Amino acid sequence: GQQLNQSPQSMFIQEGEDVSMNCTSSSIFNTWLWYKQDPGEGPVLLIALYKAGELTSNGRLTAQFGITRKDSFLNISASIPSDVGIYFCAGQYSGAGSYQLTFGKGTKLSVIP
Amino acid sequence: ETGVTQSPTHLIKTRGQQVTLRCSSQSGHNTVSWYQQALGQGPQFIFQYYREEENGRGNFPPRFSGLQFPNYSSELNVNALELDDSALYLCASSLQRPPDEQFFGPGTRLTVL
Repeated sequence: GQQLNQSPQSMFIQEGEDVSMNCTSSSIFNTWLWYKQDPGEGPVLLIALYKAGELTSNGRLTAQFGITRKDSFLNISASIPSDVGIYFCAGQYSGAGSYQLTFGKGTKLSVIP
Repeated sequence: ETGVTQSPTHLIKTRGQQVTLRCSSQSGHNTVSWYQQALGQGPQFIFQYYREEENGRGNFPPRFSGLQFPNYSSELNVNALELDDSALYLCASSLQRPPDEQFFGPGTRLTVL
């Protein structure tokens, strides 16, 4: 099945550093969402974006919905050890009445104390 | 407010067997979506149920089927299990209209031997 292009695949950073990851698609979406998944758990919603160009923050997290509606990025500022996990972008297109999500392959984040 | 719950947590089956996975949606949510997440991949959309009817389907064969009940809980059934069906199966609930974020349960880990 289709998956979005998410990069980087993995990153190792020092505690306190900022992190940036992005997601691109060949298709347009009406909504972009960012999730975090810990081992053995389901994805947890971090941020949802509904309009092209929208910039939204949730604490130390900031995400933007690209103008072309085909991309999005997520920034994490001043990383802490509990930021460790896998981050997924997901696009949602509401055409034909179904609100299915298309996911990226994930960015695995490791934070070195 | 109760979140999305899934049962069982883990399951081991052999090839050719059939399996039923269960999901209770978050309170107030009327739409349930099922996703398959293979190791190291992002979740893949299987299908979505709204008001007890299938409302969108991903690229999965007919041996993957589902049900939604009047209380909005749902079942995923997989017949004639194959080794490649080994994965984490995630259920997500949402409000169909207006479009809303999808909230995930912890998943069921299925192993097919």
